[in-house]
Order: sequence, then C-alpha cells, then structure tokens
Amino acid sequence: GESVGLHLPTLSVQEGDNSIINCAYSNSASDYFIWYKQESGKGPQFIIDIRSNMDKRQGQRVTVLLNKTVKHLSLQIAATQPGDSAVYFCAENIRVGGGADGLTFGKGTHLIIQP
Amino acid sequence: DVKVTQSSRYLVKRTGEKVFLECVQDMDHENMFWYRQDPGLGLRLIYFSYDVKMKEKGDIPEGYSVSREKKERFSLILESASTNQTSMYLCASSSGGADYGYTFGSGTRLTVV
Repeated sequence: GESVGLHLPTLSVQEGDNSIINCAYSNSASDYFIWYKQESGKGPQFIIDIRSNMDKRQGQRVTVLLNKTVKHLSLQIAATQPGDSAVYFCAENIRVGGGADGLTFGKGTHLIIQP
Repeated sequence: DVKVTQSSRYLVKRTGEKVFLECVQDMDHENMFWYRQDPGLGLRLIYFSYDVKMKEKGDIPEGYSVSREKKERFSLILESASTNQTSMYLCASSSGGADYGYTFGSGTRLTVV
C-alpha cells in the first residue's frame, strides 16, 4: 500500500538556491528511510539514508531530516546545481515476508532547476 | 561498484507474446525485486525473492511470474503481454542486512503494441 507520500509533485528552484523536498510516511514502525534520485532514463540511485534513532544526517550538499513525531522526512539540497534536476523518491523499510526487508516508495517529486 | 544489470534498455513486443526480462546482480545479494514504474503511480512492487527458488508476490503480481534459479539472476516473465503492461520495469537487489538499501538497474522500457 501507499504508506509513503510526497507533498509536491514538482518543485522548481533557482540555480544556487537551496531545495527542500518533503515526504510523509504513515508506518510508525519503520526504522529506516532512504532518499533516491532518478535522472531521466536511468534507474534510481541512492543519495542518503537515515535510521529512526537519528533526526538528522548530512552528506555532501545533502541533509536528511526525520521528524518521527509527525512522521515527516525531508531532503535538503544546498546550492542546487543543474545536475540536481531529477525525480526524488523517499522510501521506508517494511518487512515484505520471508524475513526479507523491502522498501515502500513515495510517488516522487520532480525537481526542476531554473537558470 | 555494486552492479545490477538489466539485459535490455528498450523492448517492443506484440500483444499475446511471452516476454522475459532478465536481471543479474554481482554482489551476492540475497534479495531481488521487480518493480514497475508509471507516471503518477511511482514504483510498484510486482514480485520479490529472498533466496534461490523462492518468490513472493508483491502488490501487483497479476499477469506476471518470476524465476530465480540462481542467486545472481532474477527473471520477470509476462506470460501473455498486454498493452496495459507497457511500462518501465526496474530490478533491484539488496543484502537484506543492516544496510537495507537497494541497488537498482537502469530499467527496461517495455512497449506492448
């Protein structure tokens, strides 16, 4: 089922500005979250992850924030560049059966960079 | 680098044909997954496998089957292709351990005419 969603299907930002992409999840038992980036014609690529025992994690130009109280996840991209143009998906872990750990994905936000 | 390879980037098949989509991973991952991706619907899980010869239905298994005879290879089969199966198909694998993240293939865009 769709337990992970996104607030906006499209986000347009100026090059050089910071971008914030939001995600809501509904499964309070989820303990692991990931952001993926999918460029046109390619498969999703891992950007950054966070476990539920953290509320913030930073990577290179990206930060993920987790608010478990309101079940909200966000991805912040600093100094957005043309190469950041892509669809961004959040995902949360679920137990899919047979002991496997699987992921449920949000529908994605298309980040558009304006020159 | 972890690699998940899907054998075809683009496929065009006729209605009623039997279609095989192949996926191979080289990281000895236990778990493999097949998704389809459609505009506005995101990624939907078709089937997954957590071990050789094991398979489990995902959210939308109807019209599909899978085969996992070897650990590194997970095949998606469309028994009788229909136009509503035109989509982007993504294969993924994971170790299923502490690192739950998936590695995706580049996708196969299937068109059924």
